[in-house]
Amino acid sequence: ETGVTQTPRHLVMGMTNKKSLKCEQHLGHNAMYWYKQSAKKPLELMFVYNFKEQTENNSVPSRFSPECPNSSHLFLHLHTLQPEDSALYLCASSLDRPYNSPLHFGNGTRLTVT
Amino acid sequence: KNEVEQSPQNLTAQEGEFITINCSYSVGISALHWLQQHPGGGIVSLFMLSSGKKKHGRLIATINIQEKHSSLHITASHPRDSAVYICAVRSVNTDKLIFGTGTRLQVFP
Repeated sequence: ETGVTQTPRHLVMGMTNKKSLKCEQHLGHNAMYWYKQSAKKPLELMFVYNFKEQTENNSVPSRFSPECPNSSHLFLHLHTLQPEDSALYLCASSLDRPYNSPLHFGNGTRLTVT
Repeated sequence: KNEVEQSPQNLTAQEGEFITINCSYSVGISALHWLQQHPGGGIVSLFMLSSGKKKHGRLIATINIQEKHSSLHITASHPRDSAVYICAVRSVNTDKLIFGTGTRLQVFP
């Protein structure tokens, strides 16, 4: 148990679908992150939130839309995705100012776009 | 060329062997992380260090700032150590984490 829970674990969606990924942490952390992990590539940062405010958007296409309603929850809304968006999407959190303390990761959502 | 390079990319070992995984980086850093990713996908933070050496159980992480190099050692390896080990550095310029592509370790009984 990592303390960071992601749902669903697996998701298959068509290019015209709309779906959402959910991340939840009850570690009392204030920073939350979305990462994308594609095969044989390093982890890619997508978004960073600090105290519910988005502090980084790493040039992510608008078909990915994050939402952070409070410090414990983070969503990634998906619409009109492309097959190349198939990847493992990882949520992480850290105690304080982004990157200032160790990251706690969830188990990820394995996304397949057909 | 990636700013964070790990070697080897793949590593197999027999149970009980001493294992070393290397990480070299080309940017100025404020901290270096070692992470472990099991086949299920979840990632666990093993170490965060900025100098010297840290030890936790059978795992030891060292860093040489002058040489821009870090090593992760596993003593008395066990099949449950089989995972992908990822090195990441926090850049002093961008304040962001830069990840290596990982080293896949398989330990056989």
